[in-house]
Amino acid sequence: EVQLVESGGGLVQPGGSLRLSCAASGFTISNSWMNWVRQAPGKGLEWVANIKHDGSEKYYVDSVKGRFTISRDTDKNSMYLQMNSLRDEDTAVYYCARGDLDDRGQGTLVTVSS
Amino acid sequence: QAGLTQPPSVSKGLRQTATLTCTGNSNNVGNQGAVWLQQHQGHPPKLLSYRNNNRPSGISERLSASRSGNTASLTITGLQPEDEADYYCSAWDTSLSAWVFGGGTKLTVL
Repeated sequence: EVQLVESGGGLVQPGGSLRLSCAASGFTISNSWMNWVRQAPGKGLEWVANIKHDGSEKYYVDSVKGRFTISRDTDKNSMYLQMNSLRDEDTAVYYCARGDLDDRGQGTLVTVSS
Repeated sequence: QAGLTQPPSVSKGLRQTATLTCTGNSNNVGNQGAVWLQQHQGHPPKLLSYRNNNRPSGISERLSASRSGNTASLTITGLQPEDEADYYCSAWDTSLSAWVFGGGTKLTVL
């Protein structure tokens, strides 16, 4: 059974940093594109970033380019999102998702507020 | 990044049929197809349809996805109370190298 478990969310001040983790089981991340998708409170879904199965390609939504970095550790079968220079508008539940958004975790809440 | 266009709301009666639409362009829906996700209040989204319009295991046969040109559609027949939810479409955009989402459609079952 495919499982994705996000962690690392929390409350952070504007300008601060957080690192989100996504632990995968039931499949190997080195065989799948992996994504981060977020949802601000009361808003719709927004794709944030993804990484190719071999790690050779990474793409980001314009609003996070230069601030967020997606990475993975195949030994730990996990994916990460390093978020720097956080802004109020980054407040959202962050989901990790496999492939064409086939499978998603339960999400982790990131709150950016002073 | 430009998103896909979905009507904000659709209301239909119990046991009726609802068709939700999602309009993009030739860089996304038109050549990549779209996925559909359902989200009930307070829950993570759930995939209803793959890019090739097939349903994942466990998804009701009352749901069917299709595409015509740059518009994807999700048809739900025999509407039930549990179908009341937010529905999102998404597609990979080859010019943006990004997944783009629609704003979501809130389906109300009367």
